[in-house]
Amino acid sequence: KQEVTQIPAALSVPEGENLVLNCSFTDSAIYNLQWFRQDPGKGLTSLLLIQSSQREQTSGRLNASLDKSSGRSTLYIAASQPGDSATYLCAVRPKTSYDKVIFGPGTSLSVIP
Amino acid sequence: DGGITQSPKYLFRKEGQNVTLSCEQNLNHDAMYWYRQDPGQGLRLIYYSQIVNDFQKGDIAEGYSVSREKKESFPLTVTSAQKNPTAFYLCASSPGTGVRTEAFFGQGTRLTVV
Repeated sequence: KQEVTQIPAALSVPEGENLVLNCSFTDSAIYNLQWFRQDPGKGLTSLLLIQSSQREQTSGRLNASLDKSSGRSTLYIAASQPGDSATYLCAVRPKTSYDKVIFGPGTSLSVIP
Repeated sequence: DGGITQSPKYLFRKEGQNVTLSCEQNLNHDAMYWYRQDPGQGLRLIYYSQIVNDFQKGDIAEGYSVSREKKESFPLTVTSAQKNPTAFYLCASSPGTGVRTEAFFGQGTRLTVV
């Protein structure tokens, strides 16, 4: 059964720092991996989608990498800003149950001005 | 302006009462999903639907029911059989279930039992 974990559960950094969020999954047989952002009391906003054949995707200050063989993905945020404060979730679409998306518990990020 | 609309934003339910959460999308997506989110936990799948008039149970379907009579609508009913319904409910959709599909989410409904 596919399981997704995220470390750390919470992170607090000063403004301007570069930071890395980690996502691990137990079964490397996935179609894709997606990173989301969730603000308190809000829905999820899609940030990046990485297909299983890709190694990374970039959008602005965000860069997501995927290493299927080791079951890991990282989300790199450059020059963090207070507006980046939110919970970041990763999710995988397994090949064994392609019609479902499995979510990690999220990392709560706080960027201090 | 395309997207997913959930209503209401806040909903209060009395003990023993059924309530229905609305989810509408104008993205022309085939697949729609309902998730439940509890504090400190990840999203858990309640029900999903790949096409009109068809839906499947997710991991925590007990006490919930859905319908998919129209492509753009996927309402979720929280029945009195759901013993702990207080949670944040999220609806999502995706173009299909192929390898390149990206999931999009609504803004959520917070349900509270009073």
